[in-house]
Amino acid sequence: SAVISQKPSRDICQRGTSLTIQCQVDSQVTMMFWYRQQPGQSLTLIATANQGSEATYESGFVIDKFPISRPNLTFSTLTVSNMSPEDSSIYLCSAEQGAQGETQYFGPGTRLLVL
Amino acid sequence: DAKTTQPTSMDCAEGRAANLPCNHSTISGNEYVYWYRQIHSQGPQYIIHGLKNNETNEMASLIITEDRKSSTLILPHATQRDTAVYYCIVRDPLMDSNYQLIWGAGTKLIIKP
Repeated sequence: SAVISQKPSRDICQRGTSLTIQCQVDSQVTMMFWYRQQPGQSLTLIATANQGSEATYESGFVIDKFPISRPNLTFSTLTVSNMSPEDSSIYLCSAEQGAQGETQYFGPGTRLLVL
Repeated sequence: DAKTTQPTSMDCAEGRAANLPCNHSTISGNEYVYWYRQIHSQGPQYIIHGLKNNETNEMASLIITEDRKSSTLILPHATQRDTAVYYCIVRDPLMDSNYQLIWGAGTKLIIKP
């Protein structure tokens, strides 16, 4: 199974600033995803990070707020821009792996608190 | 909306088998049943998945009914480290557009000493 790491593991930020979260996979994967988990809630998909092209965003999420990079098959970043307290969440990276791309594995998450 | 129904919470005594049910009555023929768990403050952990046949790995067993409308995740000898929220998800991994995992509320499993 894919092993996924994220940096930072947690951060406290001031409103109006931006934070970039890094996601590293220990093997090449085709599909990488970014999720958000607000306090006490289930996971919500933000976007699919596509290698070599622009990310595909889900309804309610826009590139200006959550720019994503995917420079290669093992790495991706998510930036949370112009943060407000409502952005306080856990941000999770996942990658799909398997002979038929059948299983998603998750990183440990980045806990973000915006003051 | 999640395509699965799970009990909100369950208790189990340490050392006993924990049996977590999941209903997925609208599952289609190509959809797999996946189980994940999320221990407090951690990322979701993949446990097991299956299509029709029962599956077993080092973590758990998955029993799928013959009509595939429900399944049970079995943790054979639960310990307090198994206390977590357990999610049952159905998905067809071969559909290119079907990459999103639809997360319900899951079952909060508490293992008691």
